[in-house]
Amino acid sequence: GDSVTQMEGPVTLSEEAFLTINCTYTATGYPSLFWYVQYPGEGLQLLLKATKADDKGSNKGFEATYRKETTSFHLEKGSVQVSDSAVYFCAPASGGSYIPTFGRGTSLIVHP
Amino acid sequence: DTAVSQTPKYLVTQMGNDKSIKCEQNLGHDTMYWYKQDSKKFLKIMFSYNNKELIINETVPNRFSPKSPDKAHLNLHINSLELGDSAVYFCASSGSLLYGYTFGSGTRLTVV
Repeated sequence: GDSVTQMEGPVTLSEEAFLTINCTYTATGYPSLFWYVQYPGEGLQLLLKATKADDKGSNKGFEATYRKETTSFHLEKGSVQVSDSAVYFCAPASGGSYIPTFGRGTSLIVHP
Repeated sequence: DTAVSQTPKYLVTQMGNDKSIKCEQNLGHDTMYWYKQDSKKFLKIMFSYNNKELIINETVPNRFSPKSPDKAHLNLHINSLELGDSAVYFCASSGSLLYGYTFGSGTRLTVV
């Protein structure tokens, strides 16, 4: 089955700092790749996605590029805000069912 | 208008009790899911229904029984609750997995 490795958290940054959260995966075939975000006390929300190699998903200033050669889908943001504090989940989805496999999540804490 | 709504949001109960969690979606999606999130934020799929038919039934104790009266509703009944059942349970729905999930806000179950 699919598997995903995310960097351990928490990641602690000051406001306006650059963010990278690494994600690498193993999957059968050509998975679709997703990042979800979970704000405190809430459910997960789809943040962005990419469905084929070299696609770039983007939303709310976050970006991630589907890198087939390195099986990676790293999440980046140029200038984080306090409101970005949340847990971020990388999730490849492949196989006939496309059920995503969730990573263990990376907690991001942004200080003013 | 909440897309995926779960009730109750919090549930505190004693060991051995039976409880239910309800989920409703108004997105017109055909497929609904139950996930369990543990204290370390790890998400594990439990069940999936497609248009009222059970399609995924992961290795879950048979004390857990899902029921889908129609494609907009998916309920989870838990018999003989145990301490280890304490977790946050998320309902989700999907029209097409290529577009990801929509999650509910979760039910925090505490068994004492």
